[in-house]
Amino acid sequence: AQSVAQPEDQVNVAEGNPLTVKCTYSVSGNPYLFWYVQYPNRGLQFLLKYITGDNLVKGSYGFEAEFNKSQTSFHLKKPSALVSDSALYFCAVRDIGQNFVFGPGTRLSVLP
Amino acid sequence: DAGVIQSPRHEVTEMGQEVTLRCKPISGHNSLFWYRQTMMRGLELLIYFNNNVPIDDSGMPEDRFSAKMPNASFSTLKIQPSEPRDSAVYFCASSLEGTLQETQYFGPGTRLLVL
Repeated sequence: AQSVAQPEDQVNVAEGNPLTVKCTYSVSGNPYLFWYVQYPNRGLQFLLKYITGDNLVKGSYGFEAEFNKSQTSFHLKKPSALVSDSALYFCAVRDIGQNFVFGPGTRLSVLP
Repeated sequence: DAGVIQSPRHEVTEMGQEVTLRCKPISGHNSLFWYRQTMMRGLELLIYFNNNVPIDDSGMPEDRFSAKMPNASFSTLKIQPSEPRDSAVYFCASSLEGTLQETQYFGPGTRLLVL
């Protein structure tokens, strides 16, 4: 069965510093990996996805994620955090013939 | 496109009452998903439809929950009778299935409070 782990409930980073939100996954085949962001009182918004090809995926709002097959990870990164990046971030995985499985979420707080 | 539309945005009801949540997916999308989000359990998939047919309803918590998709542009999630533990935010999402590369697009959610 596929699963997603986000080992950190909360990540705090100072504005202007680089940020990383971690995600690891478990699937039986080749993974399709996604990152979503949820702002307060809003639905989830798609940020980026990895399907195949270049391991570094660039997405919305300056975010990027690196697929690492050997470590089964798909960490979300941004070179310089903004206060407006503060939100709840979800990693999701999908395997062939399977539904989306979302991680528990990581709350990112960017401090001014 | 207006995106996924959900109504109502907020619902407050009393225990035992029937609650109906509504969703209009993005035009052209062929799959629709209902999720529930709570602090304790996170984001849970309740049911999903493909081409208006329920494919997987294993996430539906109890018989009190039912979902329908009478056509490609409308779905309902009904709770009858409602209980306080049903209080949560319910999200609808839609996607264009078929290639596995599809992305789910979420509505703004319905915040349900059962007193």
